[in-house]
Amino acid sequence: NAGVTQTPKFRILKIGQSMTLQCTQDMNHNYMYWYRQDPGMGLKLIYYSVGAGITDKGEVPNGYNVSRSTTEDFPLRLELAAPSQTSVYFCASSLRGGSTEAFFGQGTRLTVV
Amino acid sequence: GQQVMQIPQYQHVQEGEDFTTYCNSSTTLSNIQWYKQRPGGHPVFLIQLVKSGEVKKQKRLTFQFGEAKKNSSLHITATQTTDVGTYFCAGGSSSASKIIFGSGTRLSIRP
Repeated sequence: NAGVTQTPKFRILKIGQSMTLQCTQDMNHNYMYWYRQDPGMGLKLIYYSVGAGITDKGEVPNGYNVSRSTTEDFPLRLELAAPSQTSVYFCASSLRGGSTEAFFGQGTRLTVV
Repeated sequence: GQQVMQIPQYQHVQEGEDFTTYCNSSTTLSNIQWYKQRPGGHPVFLIQLVKSGEVKKQKRLTFQFGEAKKNSSLHITATQTTDVGTYFCAGGSSSASKIIFGSGTRLSIRP
């Protein structure tokens, strides 16, 4: 049981490039989340999903897109990367949304230069 | 929308001193969760409180949920260097699918 797995762990992007952050979970959780954490700051919700085919915006969705074609996978797409997107990105999943604990991946540290 | 505020932002204590962080929500919560994030790590779930006025203990950690279910606290007795990290609360509402985190309290300790 691997839990929540994120790839890559580190990435450097040039301004204007695009990339996809991968997230997969093997706990059969319906709820999945993407957060970003700027240095010394808290967790901001980017997008979340309550099940395959259903996604919704969080607090800071601009500049990002998501899809949820399967229960296991919830990739986060960055289009036209900007320095403001330099951050650590965490994917998380939970069994029943906000009423059950969230399990986090190890994070992806992204730098946009 | 739902907002969860957490204070203080930072706390630096001498090893052996106590530590408390407070969490306040703008709306009534159905539950509150607490997470710990070690430096360079990811958030890890500590506990969930559901009932009004609930108090739970985990060794030196005491968690409280307010009577109105709008605030919570985490108290650590006699801090140790292993307690270093950032402590986050996260509030859940009855209809919420999303998990909104507080801003966190970063605890550092002087040995």
